[in-house]
Amino acid sequence: GEDVEQSLFLSVREGDSSVINCTYTDSSSTYLYWYKQEPGAGLQLLTYIFSNMDMKQDQRLTVLLNKKDKHLSLRIADTQTGDSAIYFCAESPEAGTASKLTFGTGTRLQVTL
Amino acid sequence: NAGVTQTPKFQVLKTGQSMTLQCAQDMNHNSMYWYRQDPGMGLRLIYYSASEGTTDKGEVPNGYNVSRLNKREFSLRLESAAPSQTSVYFCASRGQGAGNQPQHFGDGTRLSIL
Repeated sequence: GEDVEQSLFLSVREGDSSVINCTYTDSSSTYLYWYKQEPGAGLQLLTYIFSNMDMKQDQRLTVLLNKKDKHLSLRIADTQTGDSAIYFCAESPEAGTASKLTFGTGTRLQVTL
Repeated sequence: NAGVTQTPKFQVLKTGQSMTLQCAQDMNHNSMYWYRQDPGMGLRLIYYSASEGTTDKGEVPNGYNVSRLNKREFSLRLESAAPSQTSVYFCASRGQGAGNQPQHFGDGTRLSIL
């Protein structure tokens, strides 16, 4: 079955850039997503990228996709304390109505002063 | 802007008790999902409903049942709770359309089985 892997923890200083990495195994992945989970809350969609794209930028967020290596990354520029959260990578192999997602284990981002 | 509403937010059960987790969405979405979140394992799909009147098993369905009561509501039932079902449960919904329609999540139900 599909597998999505992430490192569990990342610590960065406020103002630095954060890079969260994700690898996936399903070559038929159509859409790849980044979700953010703050303590005690549900998952909030940050951004997504279609598999025929290499890069997507949205304000402080940059998503890079290397389809050959099945590697996805999320770069957060000028990281702030409010960015401290768990970040989940997810992939969807289909564009149908059900569109099930497979999630990674999540990367906990800690932002220090 | 309610979005996806889950009740209750917290629950403690004894082994063997039954419990229904409620989920409702007000976005007129066709698809709804139930996940469980465990430390170090991300979110795993329990059951989903692609549209009103249909339900299908996900990755970890054993010990659970679901009901798609109507388009708005999708409930998850534990008939005989076990300690292994201690987890945080999330409900999500998704509108119809192309694959980039995101799933919208509720705030979760934190369930402890003693």
